[in-house]
Amino acid sequence: DIQLTQSPSTLSASVGDRVTITCRASQSIDDWLAWYQQQPGKAPKLLIYKASILESGVPSRFSGSGSGTDFTLTISSLQPDDLGTYYCQQFNTYSSFGQGTKLEIK
Amino acid sequence: EVRMVESGGGLVRPGGSLRLSCTASGFTFSSHSIHWVRQAPGRGLEWVSSISGSSKYVFYADSLKGRFTISRDNAKEEVYLQMNSLTTDDTAVYFCARRSQALDVWGQGTTVTVSS
Repeated sequence: DIQLTQSPSTLSASVGDRVTITCRASQSIDDWLAWYQQQPGKAPKLLIYKASILESGVPSRFSGSGSGTDFTLTISSLQPDDLGTYYCQQFNTYSSFGQGTKLEIK
Repeated sequence: EVRMVESGGGLVRPGGSLRLSCTASGFTFSSHSIHWVRQAPGRGLEWVSSISGSSKYVFYADSLKGRFTISRDNAKEEVYLQMNSLTTDDTAVYFCARRSQALDVWGQGTTVTVSS
């Protein structure tokens, strides 16, 4: 099994802040990584796929980078609607999710 | 409109079985693999299983230990998850999702509660 470890587990930031979430894989997954946002009571929403490609309709303040084992999701200027929990997911071998990063707005 | 709708959740006793359904619409169903993902109360997302468009490739999370079976009927545009020997640890909201480059269309989820 490929394990994904996200950090931090929780994050509190202010509107306008630059926010970075990391995801580390237990072995190389090339660029087979996606990022999702889940707001309370809702299904997850795809933000980024293939590590760095922005899903259609997702605001450009979201960006992704990385390959191999280390990946990053960045929100360039945090907005109130960005609260929620963020997950990474790998598709290199079967699939698996990171444990999530809960983002709170100060 | 592209949609995924789950059904079949409910209350089941430990050791019991349940079959979930996922009905798709608005896209070429047979061209996409479909995934099941679950979320226990207050917990994170857990990948459960996937099936390719032709049903040739099926995968399961190791933690399921052979208790779950995924299948699909492309004529009906449905995917199924047969769950056997259920335990309280299987209590969760179960989502189905379409895979394009990643899981880009999700259903609203169906709740499975395993309790005596």
